[in-house]
Amino acid sequence: RKEVEQDPGPFNVPEGATVAFNCTYSNSASQSFFWYRQDCRKEPKLLMSVYSSGNEDGRFTAQLNRASQYISLLIRDSKLSDSATYLCVGRDTGFQKLVFGTGTRLLVSP
Amino acid sequence: NAGVTQTPKFRVLKTGQSMTLLCAQDMNHEYMYWYRQDPGMGLRLIHYSVGEGTTAKGEVPDGYNVSRLKKQNFLLGLESAAPSQTSVYFCASSSWGLAIDTQYFGPGTRLTVL
Repeated sequence: RKEVEQDPGPFNVPEGATVAFNCTYSNSASQSFFWYRQDCRKEPKLLMSVYSSGNEDGRFTAQLNRASQYISLLIRDSKLSDSATYLCVGRDTGFQKLVFGTGTRLLVSP
Repeated sequence: NAGVTQTPKFRVLKTGQSMTLLCAQDMNHEYMYWYRQDPGMGLRLIHYSVGEGTTAKGEVPDGYNVSRLKKQNFLLGLESAAPSQTSVYFCASSSWGLAIDTQYFGPGTRLTVL
């Protein structure tokens, strides 16, 4: 089983829609979690960290469910510019190693 | 402030050739990483460094070597390139402590091995 697993998508949504992605993780990648965003043929960039209490940054909300071992990302009022691949990332309990999921692709259409 | 830069951006090699990828960061970060990204595989860690003069193996180190002679530079070498090493290579850096979780990536190097 992969340490961090994601549905590759693509998720096709119209502008203004609300979309949610889930990501599941195994115990070895269970210290901290993050969502990174990667545009086509570009480098990944940190979108937001995920806290146990949940956290919100504008239209983006991230939540962590340790009991069920999943992380979620909710995007409200989708914009065309939200089209990208969203990488679910865990921090290895051993050390300074981030474990990346394969990414979920989002396509927002007019 | 350029952040993380990578040289070259593109390269085509023949099987058996060697090359070195250069990563440079101007953020005074302690930690640097080399990843490869392949379709359906996600980012996989090749080697990493926790400081000048130190390196360690990541998830997929075979066929690669690295050096960190200066804090700002992290070099990735392919001694004898193989088609399986065709990939996009990303370098990243991060500070220490809690800030380690934020990795800053370079723009990537697209390598094709024929």
